[in-house]
Amino acid sequence: GQQLNQSPQSMFIQEGEDVSMNCTSSSIFNTWLWYKQDPGEGPVLLIALYKAGELTSNGRLTAQFGITRKDSFLNISASIPSDVGIYFCAGQRGKGSTLGRLYFGRGTQLTVWP
Amino acid sequence: GAVVSQHPSRVICKSGTSVKIECRSLDFQATTMFWYRQFPKQSLMLMATSNEGSKATYEQGVEKDKFLINHASLTLSTLTVTSAHPEDSSFYICSASRTGNQPQHFGDGTRLSIL
Repeated sequence: GQQLNQSPQSMFIQEGEDVSMNCTSSSIFNTWLWYKQDPGEGPVLLIALYKAGELTSNGRLTAQFGITRKDSFLNISASIPSDVGIYFCAGQRGKGSTLGRLYFGRGTQLTVWP
Repeated sequence: GAVVSQHPSRVICKSGTSVKIECRSLDFQATTMFWYRQFPKQSLMLMATSNEGSKATYEQGVEKDKFLINHASLTLSTLTVTSAHPEDSSFYICSASRTGNQPQHFGDGTRLSIL
């Protein structure tokens, strides 16, 4: 199935630094979602975006739904060791035969050094 | 809210055994549930979508007779891996959403190991 282009694939940063990752797609999505997955667990929803141009925060996390509806970014400010994990973007068309289906990025592995 | 429970978290069994995995939405009613498979260091691969009271829709390449899905109520879906073989060993994850176009909330996954 279609996958989103997520970058970077991995990041190694110092505690306290800011982080930015993004996803792009060749087609339009009506919803963008960002999930975090810890080893051996299921993904946890971080932020959901529903409108083009929307900028939403959740604590130290901020995500934006691109104006073209073909991209989204996630920023993490002042990273801490527990931010370690894999971050996935996901797009959802929300209509038609693919209603509800998520198209995932390949993930960004974040490592935070104390 | 939006808690999804998946059970068991880990299964180790012999080749030829059938294994059932349960996915429950604990604090909401899930019209739609999804089943994924994830290989190490890879993204989630959708196997099938199930709507309560309907037959599941399987993705291309996923054998419906091998991976039996039942979504009998608004809070429970089950995936049965029939006659499992070592190549079926993987991390299986379910998700649930209130309606088809609502965000999916994931269970904690089931690590299946077939000897």
